Amino acid sequence: GDSVTQMEGPVTLSEEAFLTINCTYTATGYPSLFWYVQYPGEGLQLLLKATKADDKGSNKGFEATYRKETTSFHLEKGSVQVSDSAVYFCAQGGGATNKLIFGTGTLLAVQP
Amino acid sequence: DVKVTQSSRYLVKRTGEKVFLECVQDMDHENMFWYRQDPGLGLRLIYFSYDVKMKEKGDIPEGYSVSREKKERFSLILESASTNQTSMYLCASMEGGGETQYFGPGTRLLVL
Repeated sequence: GDSVTQMEGPVTLSEEAFLTINCTYTATGYPSLFWYVQYPGEGLQLLLKATKADDKGSNKGFEATYRKETTSFHLEKGSVQVSDSAVYFCAQGGGATNKLIFGTGTLLAVQP
Repeated sequence: DVKVTQSSRYLVKRTGEKVFLECVQDMDHENMFWYRQDPGLGLRLIYFSYDVKMKEKGDIPEGYSVSREKKERFSLILESASTNQTSMYLCASMEGGGETQYFGPGTRLLVL
């Protein structure tokens, strides 16, 4: 069935380091792809999304490109801040079912 | 801005109790969802609703039921709480035909 696999955490980085969180998916169709972020003590909020192959989603310095050939949607940021510390979830969805399939989440801890 | 509220942030219940978790959204969204979030498992869909009085089972509906009597409110019911239902419960809403889900802050339930 459809699924999302993302790298396990925790990921610990120093401030201003480069971030990559890997995400790959399996799907029977052509889903939209999402990154959601969960800050401590809060619910999830949409960080960025891409709806078709080669689309790039971007927000708050984060970027991810929908790669159909590698079925990937890796999250990147050039220079992380302490305030980026959170759990990041990759997800696929859209289409007729309206449902999202989430990865297991990756905890990012950024140290000053 | 879309606002999704959940009735409690923290809840402690005894095994066998009937538990109600309430979720309200203020954006007239057709779709509403209940997830549980557990470490290492990500978010798993319990039930969702695409209209008033309509509901569909998600991936893990056992031990749960739902009610949607009004468009803005979606309730999750644990008929007889068990310790393995200790978890974080997240509610989300989404407009009809949309792709972005909007999440509430979550309810952390402890069943003793």
